[in-house]
Amino acid sequence: DAKTTQPPSMDCAEGRAANLPCNHSTISGNEYVYWYRQIHSQGPQYIIHGLKNNETNEMASLIITEDRKSSTLILPHATLRDTAVYYCIVRSGGSNYKLTFGKGTLLTVNP
Amino acid sequence: GAGVSQSPRYKVAKRGQDVALRCDPISGHVSLFWYQQALGQGPEFLTYFQNEAQLDKSGLPSDRFFAERPEGSVSTLKIQRTQQEDSAVYLCASSLALAGSNEQFFGPGTRLTVL
Repeated sequence: DAKTTQPPSMDCAEGRAANLPCNHSTISGNEYVYWYRQIHSQGPQYIIHGLKNNETNEMASLIITEDRKSSTLILPHATLRDTAVYYCIVRSGGSNYKLTFGKGTLLTVNP
Repeated sequence: GAGVSQSPRYKVAKRGQDVALRCDPISGHVSLFWYQQALGQGPEFLTYFQNEAQLDKSGLPSDRFFAERPEGSVSTLKIQRTQQEDSAVYLCASSLALAGSNEQFFGPGTRLTVL
C-alpha cells in the first residue's frame, strides 16, 4: 500500500469547515483513498472512501486531485464532537484487505 | 443494530501471564481483523480471518501471539507469557464482503496493561 503524509495536528472553529489534507504521491491505479477517524478511547470509525472521483456522504466530502497524488477530507460544519484523530489510508481494493494506519491528524474543534 | 463488541474492555496482567481477548463481530460479517495500537500510534495490523480461515498472520509480533475463529464468528486473540511491550489497545474489526472496497467496523478495543 502507498504511504500517506498528513499534518500531525490542526485546529478548527466550531461551525466552520475543516479541511484535512493528505499526500499520497505513490498511489497506484487500483488503490483507494480511505478516511477513518478515532475519537478518544474508541475504535476507528469509517468516514468515506474514493478511487478518483470526488465523493460525498452524510459525514464528509472527499476531494481527490486529478493526478490522485493528494486528497482533502472536508467536514462542512465542524462540531466539538468531531475532535478526533483522522487517518488517511491508501489501500488496494483487491486481495490486500488490511488497513495500514499512519499517525494521522489530530483535529481539535474549538468552541 | 449491534456493532462489534470486545471483552474485556480492560485487562491487567502480570508479566508472564497468559491472556485471552474476545471479539464478537457483526453478525454475518465474513472478514475479521485484529489490530494492535500502542499509545500515541495508529493501529497496526496483526491478523486477518475470512470465515474460520486465518489467511494472513503476518503482523503477529511473535509466536506468543495466537488467534483463532473456529466457527467463523467469535474470535479470540491469545497472548502467552505476556511481556511489558505487549501493553497496548487491541482492536477487532469486521467487514461484510470478501474483497473490494468495503469498510471495516471496529470494536471499542481491549486495553491490556502488563505489569
